[in-house]
Amino acid sequence: AQTVTQSQPEMSVQEAETVTLSCTYDTSESDYYLFWYKQPPSRQMILVIRQEAYKQQNATENRFSVNFQKAAKSFSLKISDSQLGDAAMYFCASSFGNEKLTFGTGTRLTIIP
Amino acid sequence: DVKVTQSSRYLVKRTGEKVFLECVQDMDHENMFWYRQDPGLGLRLIYFSYDVKMKEKGDIPEGYSVSREKKERFSLILESASTNQTSMYLCASSRTGSGSGANVLTFGAGSRLTVL
Repeated sequence: AQTVTQSQPEMSVQEAETVTLSCTYDTSESDYYLFWYKQPPSRQMILVIRQEAYKQQNATENRFSVNFQKAAKSFSLKISDSQLGDAAMYFCASSFGNEKLTFGTGTRLTIIP
Repeated sequence: DVKVTQSSRYLVKRTGEKVFLECVQDMDHENMFWYRQDPGLGLRLIYFSYDVKMKEKGDIPEGYSVSREKKERFSLILESASTNQTSMYLCASSRTGSGSGANVLTFGAGSRLTVL
C-alpha cells in the first residue's frame, strides 16, 4: 500500500523563528510528485509547495522550502521567519504515479506571538 | 481567479435522507475528486473522475455514489445518509499532463455535513 505519514499532530513555533514539519511516505513507484498543502482555520486548502521526485534539487517558495530525501522517502517542510498567518493545518501528500493524491493526517501549526 | 465552487457550505440532514453535494470548476480540468476530511484521519479519497461519465472508486466509496454528466460538474450523492457520514467534504480538480500545474489539486471551500 502507498502511504503518507505525518508523525507530528501538533507543532508550535515562536513568531520569526524556523520550524520543520516532517513527512515520510512509502511507495514502489519511481516517478511521482510530492506536495505540501495548507488549510488555515475555516478557510480553503491551498498549495504551499510541490516537488517532482525525479528532480534532486529541493523546491523553494519564498519562506517555504523542502528537504527531499528520496532514498529515505522523506519530505519535510521548513518554514523560515514564521508569521502569524502561517498558523494552519499542513498536509503532506503524494501522487504515486497517477492523478490521485494520497494525504497524510496533518500537522496543526501554532504560531506563538 | 480560478475556482472550485461547492454549492453548500453547511448542511444538516436526517438519517436516511438522500443528500446531494454539488461541485463546479471553471478551469476546464479533466480530473475531479471528492475527499472526506475527519480529525486525525486527514483527507481520504471517496471517488475520482478523470472524464465525463467516468469514475473510479477511491479508498472509502461505501455509502456514496457520484455523477459527472458535464466536465465542469461533479456531484457526490449519499443515497441514505447515516450519522457516520457526518464530516467535512472537499471537492477538488486538477488537470492531466505535465508541466508546473500537473497533478496540483485546486480545492473548494468544503461542505460540512451533519447527519442527525
